[in-house]
Amino acid sequence: DIQMTQSPSSLSASVGDRVTITCRASQSINSYLNWYQHKPGKAPKLLIYAASSLQGGVPSRFSGSGSGTDFTLTISSLQPEDFATYYCQQTYSTPTFGQGTKLEIK
Amino acid sequence: QVQLQESGPGLVKPSQTLSLTCTVSGGSISSGSYYWSWIRQPAGKGLEWIGRIYTSGSTNYNPSLKSRVTISVDTSKNQFSLKLSSVTAADTAVYYCAREEDGDYGSLADYWGQGTLVTVSS
Repeated sequence: DIQMTQSPSSLSASVGDRVTITCRASQSINSYLNWYQHKPGKAPKLLIYAASSLQGGVPSRFSGSGSGTDFTLTISSLQPEDFATYYCQQTYSTPTFGQGTKLEIK
Repeated sequence: QVQLQESGPGLVKPSQTLSLTCTVSGGSISSGSYYWSWIRQPAGKGLEWIGRIYTSGSTNYNPSLKSRVTISVDTSKNQFSLKLSSVTAADTAVYYCAREEDGDYGSLADYWGQGTLVTVSS
């Protein structure tokens, strides 16, 4: 299995802050990397696919970058609706997810 | 707008078979080139991909669960199903169904159900 490690596991930030979440793969996965946003009791939402492509309807304040083993999700200016848990997922082989990063209000 | 909704028993006894159904609305399950997937999340833990079925009926399973998992599709009802046999407490989780499509860099799950909690307990 390819292990995905996210950091930090939790993060406190304020509305308007710029936030970066990191995801590292245990081996190279090229750009086979997706990012999801998950709020309690709701369906997870696809934000970014192929490491840096923005899913339709997702605000442009979300961006993704990276290739190989190291990836980042950046939210340029946090909005109240962005407080959620974020997961990376590799699809280079049997899909696996990172453990999640919980983004909380400071 | 595609919508997915999971249904099934919320409580399953140890050693029995967990059975869930995902009903797809807003589009035909047999049209397009999509995978129909199951993903779960144990309480306090991360997401785990269980497996998927293609519109042709071919399946892919997580090797860690493969011996216990069966995913099938019923196109007449626009549904697909998950069966997980010989369950234990470790299978207690919120189970999600999702639609995946193939991109240039692997698959992506663009529509998800809201999830259903299944507890394994006697």
